[in-house]
Amino acid sequence: GDSVTQMQGQVTLSEDDFLFINCTYSTTWYPTLFWYVQYPGEGPQLLLKVTTANNKGISRGFEATYDKRTTSFHLQKASVQESDSAVYYCVLGIYQGGRALIFGTGTTVSVSP
Amino acid sequence: EAAVTQSPRSKVAVTGGKVTLSCHQTNNHDYMYWYRQDTGHGLRLIHYSYVADSTEKGDIPDGYKASRPSQENFSLILELASLSQTAVYFCASSDTRDAETLYFGSGTRLTVL
Repeated sequence: GDSVTQMQGQVTLSEDDFLFINCTYSTTWYPTLFWYVQYPGEGPQLLLKVTTANNKGISRGFEATYDKRTTSFHLQKASVQESDSAVYYCVLGIYQGGRALIFGTGTTVSVSP
Repeated sequence: EAAVTQSPRSKVAVTGGKVTLSCHQTNNHDYMYWYRQDTGHGLRLIHYSYVADSTEKGDIPDGYKASRPSQENFSLILELASLSQTAVYFCASSDTRDAETLYFGSGTRLTVL
């Protein structure tokens, strides 16, 4: 079936460190891949969207790339700040009559000053 | 200004009792969703709706009902609350032209004792 896997449950960094979160997916559909971010006390919000056409997305200093060969999708940021502390969800988007999103289990990123 | 508002923000319920979680959106979106968030599971879809007066089952609908009396309002109903339904519940909306970009509320923390 369709699925998305985030192996990293928790990532702990210091400010200015490099962030890399990896995600793998499985689907028979043409996927669109997303990263949603959830800050403390809030609901998730869209951070990035990547389609099979463009392979890469950039937003707010974050970059996401997608590799069809390895069915992997990762999120990176060159220099994190304390304000980037949040839960990051890898999300697989497939069209099933409109019910389209499958969320990963999330990666909690904690950045210390 | 919050466009998806959930009430209550938190609730304590007794096992076997009835619980109603409410969601109101001002985005003028046709699509609305209820998700459940648990540690280790990410977000899982309970029910969703494409139009008023119609609801669909998501991935984990057992033990939950949904009601969409108008475009703006979407409720989640637990007729007989159980301990296993302790979780954080999120409502979201999306536009038909960009269904995969979800706008979430801030969540309702439900504790069943």
